[in-house]
Amino acid sequence: AQTVTQSQPEMSVQEAETVTLSCTYDTSESDYYLFWYKQPPSRQMILVIRQEAYKQQNATENRFSVNFQKAAKSFSLKISDSQLGDAAMYFCAYLSGNKLVFGAGTILRVKS
Amino acid sequence: NAGVMQNPRHLVRRRGQEARLRCSPMKGHSHVYWYRQLPEEGLKFMVYLQKENIIDESGMPKERFSAEFPKEGPSILRIQQVVRGDSAAYFCASSPPNSFNYGYTFGSGTRLTVV
Repeated sequence: AQTVTQSQPEMSVQEAETVTLSCTYDTSESDYYLFWYKQPPSRQMILVIRQEAYKQQNATENRFSVNFQKAAKSFSLKISDSQLGDAAMYFCAYLSGNKLVFGAGTILRVKS
Repeated sequence: NAGVMQNPRHLVRRRGQEARLRCSPMKGHSHVYWYRQLPEEGLKFMVYLQKENIIDESGMPKERFSAEFPKEGPSILRIQQVVRGDSAAYFCASSPPNSFNYGYTFGSGTRLTVV
């Protein structure tokens, strides 16, 4: 069964700085999809970024980018120019069939 | 487009009562998924439904939990005889057919508290 591990329960970043959230996963599949979701205090789950495993190019969405290392089964999220609105819980997720398998999450705090 | 609508947002039930959680998917989405989030944990898959069909219920507890997605109306997650351990946030998500690999659209969840 696929598993997703987020080893950082909590991270802090100064406003305007860059922060990287770690995620590793375990799978025997060769073709799959990975996601990062953001969950602010409102509880809404918001899709941040998506990566297709067969694409070597790292996905980028504005200030958010990933470092996808397929051989190492690593999928980290980099947030550049951090803003106060980035403060939230961030979940890494793996799509297994049509089910998402989530990590335990990383709380990101942004200091002004 | 109103997005995925879940209600109620908060639900309090006494032990032994029934809880009914509703989810209206986004317009054009015929696939619905339910996930549960226990405190301090990530979301865990419960069930995947299409209109009038349960496709995958591998994450559903064997007893007291059921889900449906009728031809008309919202999807319902039903928990009978609730216990304190059922207290959690329950999220619904939806996707168009064959597009789940783009990521679902989630609702804001229903927080169930069992007292």
